[in-house]
Amino acid sequence: GAGVSQSPRYKVAKRGQDVALRCDPISGHVSLFWYQQALGQGPEFLTYFQNEAQLDKSGLPSDRFFAERPEGSVSTLKIQRTQQEDSAVYLCASSLAPGSYNEQFFGPGTRLTVL
Amino acid sequence: AQSVSQHNHHVILSEAASLELGCNYSYGGTVNLFWYVQYPGQHLQLLLKYFSGDPLVKGIKGFEAEFIKSKFSFNLRKPSVQWSDTAEYFCAVTPDLFKAAGNKLTFGGGTRVLVKP
Repeated sequence: GAGVSQSPRYKVAKRGQDVALRCDPISGHVSLFWYQQALGQGPEFLTYFQNEAQLDKSGLPSDRFFAERPEGSVSTLKIQRTQQEDSAVYLCASSLAPGSYNEQFFGPGTRLTVL
Repeated sequence: AQSVSQHNHHVILSEAASLELGCNYSYGGTVNLFWYVQYPGQHLQLLLKYFSGDPLVKGIKGFEAEFIKSKFSFNLRKPSVQWSDTAEYFCAVTPDLFKAAGNKLTFGGGTRVLVKP
């Protein structure tokens, strides 16, 4: 497809379950970002990949959060032992190249609800 | 670390009214500034951006924004809104760096705009 896609679009998990969220960036895009958007707030940065290298994971809130992009295209954000405070929309964005002059294109997000 | 604040959480106005949304940022260096829009049921889209040069930038759908460096502000404006402008608007900033670590965006909290027909 032409844009960034994410799956699933909605995920309901019981507290303590592990979840995996997938992001398919625009083909050929080098940079990939994950953001977390809590209800009523703006997106907050989680982690950044340049190709397969995770260059910045300063925004991951705890060691329960793990992201990977093994082949430099599709990325997965994994949350272990989910907690209620993990409920949010998880956004993926990609850009053609590193650097702030390259527009980030956002996917539709995955809405995670932890019961 | 940079931060962004948007003054209004909700704005309600009638069609043809003028719109101005405030955005202030905190950062000690040069920044690049963005406004993103999220229409109901859609994903975030770039509305306009400022990197350098003319501080008055024009974006899509008749929107414009003015960068005032001395005030650390980047307010969004539209002279006459339409019902289709109903959306949530986010201001964002990233340091003006061309580095391998990427250009993570720092967003404001967003402003929900409702335009009544």
